[in-house]
Amino acid sequence: DGGITQSPKYLFRKEGQNVTLSCEQNLNHDAMYWYRQDPGQGLRLIYYSQIVNDFQKGDIAEGYSVSREKKESFPLTVTSAQKNPTAFYLCASSRWADHSGANVLTFGAGSRLTVL
Amino acid sequence: EDQVTQSPEALRLQEGESSSLNCSYTVSGLRGLFWYRQDPGKGPEFLFTLYSAGEEKEKERLKATLTKKESFLHITAPKPEDSATYLCAVQKRGGATNKLIFGTGTLLAVQP
Repeated sequence: DGGITQSPKYLFRKEGQNVTLSCEQNLNHDAMYWYRQDPGQGLRLIYYSQIVNDFQKGDIAEGYSVSREKKESFPLTVTSAQKNPTAFYLCASSRWADHSGANVLTFGAGSRLTVL
Repeated sequence: EDQVTQSPEALRLQEGESSSLNCSYTVSGLRGLFWYRQDPGKGPEFLFTLYSAGEEKEKERLKATLTKKESFLHITAPKPEDSATYLCAVQKRGGATNKLIFGTGTLLAVQP
């Protein structure tokens, strides 16, 4: 079945460490996204990519980095510069737009990062 | 400022007790409004896209409607398995980001 695979599901990090969250999709979608979800807040966009080797900052990109070397893969690195990294991270993908220009996202199961 | 507000924050229903969730939005031109369901510890699952005022879509016990200022997700005769957080998001016309603006969600609990 087509879908999005995120790993690991749970990750613990010590302060000062960088960690990388994996996101792989087999939906043949062009666009991929990373969102952060915190209690009581809506999903916030970290980075997105429309095509391979190109990506754009979202609303809260500081302290994060991404790469898009393959269409199927969009890993997110949470760097030590991210001041409050404990959160639930969601990867998503989409065709860039449907017939009406709308953008239906398919989400992965998420990765929960906890900083110790 | 573009904004999406969902109400109530939480809703507890008895099995079979119908109700509605609200999503109010302010954007300068709507391209699409989306409803997602999210179970605890999982990613959101797509339910509906609505494009223009007056549009309605149904799926099992769920029916989504859209006006120029808000959307409702009507739940008819809910069952315990309908318990989840329901997220609303809007996409505005124009710009290159295709960014979605999400509300904070409504946590629905259906008791048997």
